[in-house]
Amino acid sequence: DAGITQSPRHKVTETGTPVTLRCHQTENHRYMYWYRQDPGHGLRLIHYSYGVKDTDKGEVSDGYSVSRSKTEDFLLTLESATSSQTSVYFCAIADKGGSYNEQFFGPGTRLTVL
Amino acid sequence: DQQVKQNSPSLSVQEGRISILNCDYTNSMFDYFLWYKKYPAEGPTFLISISSIKDKNEDGRFTVFLNKSAKHLSLHIVPSQPGDSAVYFCAASASGGSYIPTFGRGTSLIVHP
Repeated sequence: DAGITQSPRHKVTETGTPVTLRCHQTENHRYMYWYRQDPGHGLRLIHYSYGVKDTDKGEVSDGYSVSRSKTEDFLLTLESATSSQTSVYFCAIADKGGSYNEQFFGPGTRLTVL
Repeated sequence: DQQVKQNSPSLSVQEGRISILNCDYTNSMFDYFLWYKKYPAEGPTFLISISSIKDKNEDGRFTVFLNKSAKHLSLHIVPSQPGDSAVYFCAASASGGSYIPTFGRGTSLIVHP
């Protein structure tokens, strides 16, 4: 199994509070991604990174920011959490950005915003 | 606008029979397709893929078929087993683009003993 961990695994927070989710990998993969999974929507890309300090937005990036200061860590921050951000968040990694390359996913973080 | 569509949210099959999961796409630039399997409380795991230069790829009980003219792919599981019960996501990517895969909404497969 690819070495990907996410922390915390579960979090309950209140509207308006900042939240940071962490993704840590031990595979030295260049590419890292944050997705959210919601019923009826499948997996939607929030942000991704193609190297240290190199990040770009996905299709649902509003309200989220990311940072990658080291190859192994990719942080997702909700500056001011809202109830619409209640979701399951998955981090994924890939060693190449090419089309012919699968992603490896972490176990997920279940976030509840009250 | 969904570029990758899995029109069946759920599928129920008897153990030992064939499961067929379908996926349609609209972007003609997609040239690589993947299927992921997801159990509850776990992250998705890669199952099988196919390049647009092929029309079939097989791996054990799992076979993916690609019909480029119809922009349709399907995943066949034969024979189905109760352990195959999971959500299956179809994904597609374009080598000429950002390589970021686009996912469908998933199909929940239940295999009854």
